[in-house]
Amino acid sequence: KAGVTQTPRYLIKTRGQQVTLSCSPISGHRSVSWYQQTPGQGLQFLFEYFSETQRNKGNFPGRFSGRQFSNSRSEMNVSTLELGDSALYLCASTFRGVVTGELFFGEGSRLTVL
Amino acid sequence: AQRVTQPEKLLSVFKGAPVELKCNYSYSGSPELFWYVQYSRQRLQLLLRHISRESIKGFTADLNKGETSFHLKKPFAQEEDSAMYYCALTDKLIFGTGTRLQVFP
Repeated sequence: KAGVTQTPRYLIKTRGQQVTLSCSPISGHRSVSWYQQTPGQGLQFLFEYFSETQRNKGNFPGRFSGRQFSNSRSEMNVSTLELGDSALYLCASTFRGVVTGELFFGEGSRLTVL
Repeated sequence: AQRVTQPEKLLSVFKGAPVELKCNYSYSGSPELFWYVQYSRQRLQLLLRHISRESIKGFTADLNKGETSFHLKKPFAQEEDSAMYYCALTDKLIFGTGTRLQVFP
């Protein structure tokens, strides 16, 4: 069974630009959640999608948005990039309707903002 | 507010020494707590969950509701245990800031 796949793995942007990251969950998983990982803050929850609906949202500004498609693939977008957005962005998928139990993580997309 | 606290950013021990990675939580209700681990150049993965009460790779964790803690313990650390460990309250998708465990030979 293929794991969670995130693309692109690495990207470099400049301030003010926008970026779109993609996440393909494990087949059959309907919940996808996104996290920002930084050395100082650990993992911070961005949002969670289930069956194309955003179910939970973390405390990030509106520049961070996401969506989920009917095949459960998810994208997150960050507009007007700031230097502080440089981080590893992880997505995780899980099977159950309620997000509980084991999360399966991707390898992440490392974003560098110059 | 719901919160997970891992007070130690770095924990260094020698091989064979006991290890305890601390995790405290704040949650109104019955928490569902997990430990996730990230080895070098690997994905973040589940280590253990409190409801299963199992030992994985020699690690155990007991939920103490009175002290609101879920500390991760191992009696004899191994070099391969060196990794980043995250305590998580996953029904609310809350992770701690992580503790890096370094086990020296």
